[in-house]
Amino acid sequence: KNEVEQSPQNLTAQEGEFITINCSYSVGISALHWLQQHPGGGIVSLFMLSSGKKKHGRLIATINIQEKHSSLHITASHPRDSAVYICAVAVETSGSRLTFGEGTQLTVNP
Amino acid sequence: DVKVTQSSRYLVKRTGEKVFLECVQDMDHENMFWYRQDPGLGLRLIYFSYDVKMKEKGDIPEGYSVSREKKERFSLILESASTNQTSMYLCASSLPGYRGNEKLFFGSGTQLSVL
Repeated sequence: KNEVEQSPQNLTAQEGEFITINCSYSVGISALHWLQQHPGGGIVSLFMLSSGKKKHGRLIATINIQEKHSSLHITASHPRDSAVYICAVAVETSGSRLTFGEGTQLTVNP
Repeated sequence: DVKVTQSSRYLVKRTGEKVFLECVQDMDHENMFWYRQDPGLGLRLIYFSYDVKMKEKGDIPEGYSVSREKKERFSLILESASTNQTSMYLCASSLPGYRGNEKLFFGSGTQLSVL
């Protein structure tokens, strides 16, 4: 079992829908990252969380440390949101090293 | 904006060749990382470096080595390329820190094919 599990693996939505991507982890962490990867490979950091909730534009990330779970929400989704969304955790005993989930492929249709 | 530049976007090499993948960042970051990304496996850490001339093995260092002679440049070396090293290689950098809460900046990736 991977230390970081994302669900769903694939998600197709219609433009305007509210989207949720989930990340569960099985180890103690010092931080959790959400990343976005567009076709072509480039990866962009969206959020870093160690508690609570963060919001940036239409993106919201939450984390529940007790339940070892994080969610990434996209409100009013748009075709340009189509990408792979990756969850990564900094394991408490591993310093700056991150452990990555396999990613969620999101496709938003117009 | 931070820029992390990888020298090649696509690379095709033959089995047994020595391969150099170069990564340069322009924001004076101490931390630099090399990952490979394969379908179904996510990103896996090959090597990382916290400072010049310093390197540490990641989760899958076998068959790879690295060099960090200058702060801005972190090179990944495949001593004798093999077909199972065909992959997307991603370089990243971050400010110093040891708790994993430093923002990562990624290069565009190098898709390496070993024939």
